[in-house]
Amino acid sequence: GENVEQHPSTLSVQEGDSAVIKCTYSDSASNYFPWYKQELGKRPQLIIDIRSNVGEKKDQRIAVTLNKTAKHFSLHITETQPEDSAVYFCAAPGYALNFGKGTSLLVTP
Amino acid sequence: KAGVTQTPRYLIKTRGQQVTLSCSPISGHRSVSWYQQTPGQGLQFLFEYFSETQRNKGNFPGRFSGRQFSNSRSEMNVSTLELGDSALYLCASSLGTGGFGANVLTFGAGSRLTVL
Repeated sequence: GENVEQHPSTLSVQEGDSAVIKCTYSDSASNYFPWYKQELGKRPQLIIDIRSNVGEKKDQRIAVTLNKTAKHFSLHITETQPEDSAVYFCAAPGYALNFGKGTSLLVTP
Repeated sequence: KAGVTQTPRYLIKTRGQQVTLSCSPISGHRSVSWYQQTPGQGLQFLFEYFSETQRNKGNFPGRFSGRQFSNSRSEMNVSTLELGDSALYLCASSLGTGGFGANVLTFGAGSRLTVL
């Protein structure tokens, strides 16, 4: 199945700074790359996704970039706020939607 | 539109017992996927059901099983529980057509299982 590696496992930034989380995947046929945010005690929720026919997608303070040649994609959060603190998961499809192990982001005021 | 509903939300079992978890998908969604979430391991895929058929299965022992009913509701069962089965079990529903690259997964709140 699809192997998804996610880095870093933990990330601490100061409010207002940017945060970047990177993922790599193994299946070159993968064509859909979602990012989920899971706040403490809550369910994972989709925050942004990108399909393989585009290289970048933005939604306000978050953006995702995709490099199909290198088989990696990244989540960028700008002007971070304390409410961005959560665990973020990347995913890529194989026979299932396979998730990375998550990045715990802490934004300190 | 109601979201994905999982029951029970919390349960405690002892080793050797079995457990059944239920998931009601979003109306109109025909695919239900199950994931096990443990600290440090992320979300590990258990299986996916579509139109009452298991379409995909992850790398879990046969003690983990599931089924889907004609109304798309799904259940998963874990028999002969072990301490290591303690986890949050999440289900997610999607339209199910076109494969995992075509449909967004919407998660339920999960069932937190503790095995003593």
